[in-house]
Amino acid sequence: AQTVTQSQPEMSVQEAETVTLSCTYDTSESNYYLFWYKQPPSRQMILVIRQEAYKQQNATENRFSVNFQKAAKSFSLKISDSQLGDTAMYFCAFMKHGAAGNKLTFGGGTRVLVKP
Amino acid sequence: EAQVTQNPRYLITVTGKKLTVTCSQNMNHEYMSWYRQDPGLGLRQIYYSMNVEVTDKGDVPEGYKVSRKEKRNFPLILESPSPNQTSLYFCASSFRGDYEKLFFGSGTQLSVL
Repeated sequence: AQTVTQSQPEMSVQEAETVTLSCTYDTSESNYYLFWYKQPPSRQMILVIRQEAYKQQNATENRFSVNFQKAAKSFSLKISDSQLGDTAMYFCAFMKHGAAGNKLTFGGGTRVLVKP
Repeated sequence: EAQVTQNPRYLITVTGKKLTVTCSQNMNHEYMSWYRQDPGLGLRQIYYSMNVEVTDKGDVPEGYKVSRKEKRNFPLILESPSPNQTSLYFCASSFRGDYEKLFFGSGTQLSVL
C-alpha cells in the first residue's frame, strides 16, 4: 500500500516571500501521478499542480513549482512570491496509474499561513 | 457551469438517525467517488463507482452505503450514523480513463452527536 507523508503540520511565511512544503511517499510502483491540492477556508479542493512520474521535468504553474525527486520519493512544493490568498491547507497526494478505484492517497496536510 | 454539487453543506444529526448526502455532477462523468477528511489523516476513499450500477469499496467503507442508479447521481447513505463518522465529506468525479483530472464537490461537514 502506498503512503504519503507531510512532515510539516503548519508553516507561516511573510507575504512576497517563498515557502517550500515537503512531501515524501512510499511506493513500489513506477507509473503514477503526484498532486498538490489547496484547500482554502471555503473547503474547496483546488488542484494546484500535477506531476506524472515518467516525466523528469518538474511541473510548474505560475508561482507554484515542484521539486520531484523520483529516486528519493520526494515531491516538494515551492510557493514563490506568497500572497495572502495562498493561506490554506495544502495536501500532497499520490495516484497509482490504473489503481483499483482510481484512489488518491493523501498526506495529512500542511497548513500555510501567509502574513502581511 | 461544470460542477459537482453536494448537499447539504452542513449537517448536524444524532446517533442512529439515517441520513443521505447527495452528490450530482453535470459533466457526464462515468467515475464518481466519496472521500472523508479527518485532521491529520488527509482524505480517505470511502466508496467509488466506475459507472451506473457499478460500485465498490474504498479504504474506509464501514458504516456507509452508496448507490448509482443514474449516471449523474451518487448518494452517500449513513444508515445508523455514529460519532466517529463526524467528518468532512467530499464527492468527486471524472471521465473514465481521466482519473487524474478529478472534479471535487464543495464538501459536506457532518457532525454526529
